[in-house]
Amino acid sequence: GESVGLHLPTLSVQEGDNSIINCAYSNSASDYFIWYKQESGKGPQFIIDIRSNMDKRQGQRVTVLLNKTVKHLSLQIAATQPGDSAVYFCAEKVLGGGATNKLIFGTGTLLAVQP
Amino acid sequence: NAGVTQTPKFRVLKTGQSMTLLCAQDMNHEYMYWYRQDPGMGLRLIHYSVGEGTTAKGEVPDGYNVSRLKKQNFLLGLESAAPSQTSVYFCASSPSDWKNEQFFGPGTRLTVL
Repeated sequence: GESVGLHLPTLSVQEGDNSIINCAYSNSASDYFIWYKQESGKGPQFIIDIRSNMDKRQGQRVTVLLNKTVKHLSLQIAATQPGDSAVYFCAEKVLGGGATNKLIFGTGTLLAVQP
Repeated sequence: NAGVTQTPKFRVLKTGQSMTLLCAQDMNHEYMYWYRQDPGMGLRLIHYSVGEGTTAKGEVPDGYNVSRLKKQNFLLGLESAAPSQTSVYFCASSPSDWKNEQFFGPGTRLTVL
């Protein structure tokens, strides 16, 4: 909802520019890293995921980069549009041990696209 | 398909009152989840279910109970609401354990006075 954006890091970009949203993670054992987008007043929506044995994965207008050395994940959005304005969450998943597809979410970054 | 729906959208309770949040999905998903979202804290898992008739605790289960009597429904109950349970509650579902995509409902905004 509208209170999600409070106290969050904010990235402000101009329409048409590329956006880079960063996420630091702590669990070296995570098997997957996932990005979700949450628009104001809505539930989170899956964007893209990457397995831990990959460095890069591309989707439609989005690219996720994974740097395991420094435990850093980024989401790049090409040609940012007003519809990209939202809170973006990274999430981790560890397989096995009864984890049962549980995701651990980060705190989120607010992307504000200026026209 | 409606996807994941949640009832109600908003609710105000007084401390000590009880209520049940309903989540329904029409995608025949096995797995369902309840999260709470608080400002600056991301989503935290309350309880989850891996199939009809099963439930398990998540990261923050205290003060909540759940039931999954039918595959398509996942209920979250608050027996005695407290102000600390003021939050936005999201339900989600996924088809299997190895799929990373969870499908979220629109959320329920709960205020406990």
